[in-house]
Amino acid sequence: NAGVTQTPKFRVLKTGQSMTLLCAQDMNHEYMYWYRQDPGMGLRLIHYSVGEGTTAKGEVPDGYNVSRLKKQNFLLGLESAAPSQTSVYFCASSTTETQAFFGQGTRLTVV
Amino acid sequence: GQQLNQSPQSMFIQEGEDVSMNCTSSSIFNTWLWYKQDPGEGPVLLIALYKAGELTSNGRLTAQFGITRKDSFLNISASIPSDVGIYFCAGQISGTYKYIFGTGTRLKVLA
Repeated sequence: NAGVTQTPKFRVLKTGQSMTLLCAQDMNHEYMYWYRQDPGMGLRLIHYSVGEGTTAKGEVPDGYNVSRLKKQNFLLGLESAAPSQTSVYFCASSTTETQAFFGQGTRLTVV
Repeated sequence: GQQLNQSPQSMFIQEGEDVSMNCTSSSIFNTWLWYKQDPGEGPVLLIALYKAGELTSNGRLTAQFGITRKDSFLNISASIPSDVGIYFCAGQISGTYKYIFGTGTRLKVLA
């Protein structure tokens, strides 16, 4: 009964490096989301997807790219990491009938 | 970016006291959600509200969907130490699949 699984859980990057965060859900949910959480800012939507092969920008999309090649996976990419992208990243999934279920988060530090 | 106004930002209460927090928005939402986040974990859903005026309980928690569809309230009765955490409201924007989150209420319970 995995739900939403995020990998990795922790990562330290140097400025300018790239990386991909993976989100996998086993609930057959149509919609998937990537949020970042910063102190005092709550959760802010980066990108989201309403189905396989589709993506859309959220509130803070700059510096990130996403892909949804398979329904169960939603990838978040950082092409050239910056210190401002130090944050905790959360993936979530939902359907039209259910609320969003969240993963455990990925703590990313960019030095 | 659009965010919900959540208050209070933090609360220190004595065990056994009741707690109230609320969220307001300039936008209309068709769904209101309340989540709790424990340290190092992703948010976990507490209560979901789907109709204006709806009042829903989950144990000691009670939440209401404001009649104007622009606000919601969460009450916790007879608080206990394990209620400690950050509580987030979230609204689903009408006509979209996006959830917008409040900035959170940090609750601390003193035994």
